[in-house]
Order: sequence, then structure tokens, then C-alpha cells
Amino acid sequence: QVQLQESGPGLVKPSETLSLTCTVSGGSISSYYWNWIRQPPGKGLEWIGYVSYSGGTNYNPSLRSRVTISVDTSKNQFSLKLSSVTAADTAKYYCARGKAPVGATLFDKWGQGTLVIVSS
Amino acid sequence: DIQMTQSPSTLSASVGDRVTITCRASQSISSWLAWYQQKPGKAPKLLIYKASSLESGVPSRFSGSGSGTEFTLTISSLQPDDFATYYCQQYDGYVPFGQGTKLEIK
Repeated sequence: QVQLQESGPGLVKPSETLSLTCTVSGGSISSYYWNWIRQPPGKGLEWIGYVSYSGGTNYNPSLRSRVTISVDTSKNQFSLKLSSVTAADTAKYYCARGKAPVGATLFDKWGQGTLVIVSS
Repeated sequence: DIQMTQSPSTLSASVGDRVTITCRASQSISSWLAWYQQKPGKAPKLLIYKASSLESGVPSRFSGSGSGTEFTLTISSLQPDDFATYYCQQYDGYVPFGQGTKLEIK
């Protein structure tokens, strides 16, 4: 059974870069799309972007200028970097698998999520 | 950009009730529509994809219908475990979620 686990700092200072990693266990990272989604406290879900196992990416246009998602197949991990963060980036960040071949952004497996607070 | 609008925002119901949640897209999305269930503090769970296909392991009391711009999620007989927030999501291209429908115990 595939499992996803987010890791990274829970507190980031304004203007700095948020960095998170998602480790995939119980299955290969190959042949799927790997997504990041976030949810501000008490609010709805926002898709951030995805990376394919081969390294291709697609980002939410509203975040594109600040987002980089990459994959490390040797470690079965993929990562998120979000630059120039502000308090508006405070959210629970989830990693999720795209249910290929049905849809790169159809999320069938999720991590438990990690709360990132942007504050000085 | 495609916008997804769910109604109602909150729904109060009792165990055993049949409930329906509606999701409207601002333009046609064919059948590229998914439904998720989220419980407090937990990750969302995929219930339905391609508007009406039941994800493996999801109880058959959940069903989805619709195409184009109007979609519905129906729970045929509410169980205690079903009280949660439900989101629709368009998954072809840009990936907007609906704002969510909170299903509460009456």
C-alpha cells in the first residue's frame, strides 16, 4: 500500500523560501504524477502543482512565479519550494499522487499533511 | 479560468437521510469531475471520479452524476461516518476545487 509522508520546517520567516519533501513508500514513484496541495486553516483546498516521474512540471498560474517542484526517483521523493512567502502562505501542505493514467491531478493517495506557519 | 461552485455550503441532515450536493462549473468540463470527503484534521479522500465512477473501496451509498457544467453527489442513506466536508474538483487542466459543503448532523 502506497504511503506518502511530508517533512520539512513547520515555521518559515516572511520573505524566505518554504521547502518541503514528500517521501513515497510502499511503491515506486515511477509512472505517476506527484502533486502538492495546500489548505489554509479553516479554508478550502488549493492545488499548487505537480511533477511527473520524468521531471515534467505544471503549476497553478497564481503561484507559478514562486513555485518549484522537483523529483528524486533514486530516493522515491519529490519536493516543493515556494519562495518569498508571506502570512498568506500559512497552510497545511499536502502531497498527493495523481491517479494516472486517468488524471495527473486526480488525487487518489494523500499524505497526512504538514502545517507550515509563516511568521517572524 | 474555470470556477467551481458548490451548493449548499452547509447541509444539516440525519442518519438515514438521502442527501444531494451540487457542483456547477463556470464552463463545460465534460465529465472531468471528482468528489472528495474530508474529515477534520485529515487529508481528503477520493470518492468519485469521472463524474460517476466510484473509487475502489468507497461504499456504494455514494454516487455521482452529471456532465458538462452541473454535477451532483448523492449519499443514499447517511451513516454516522459520513458527516464531513465534501469538495468537488475539476481535474482537466487547471485544477480548481469547489469551496466545500459541510455536512452536519441535524
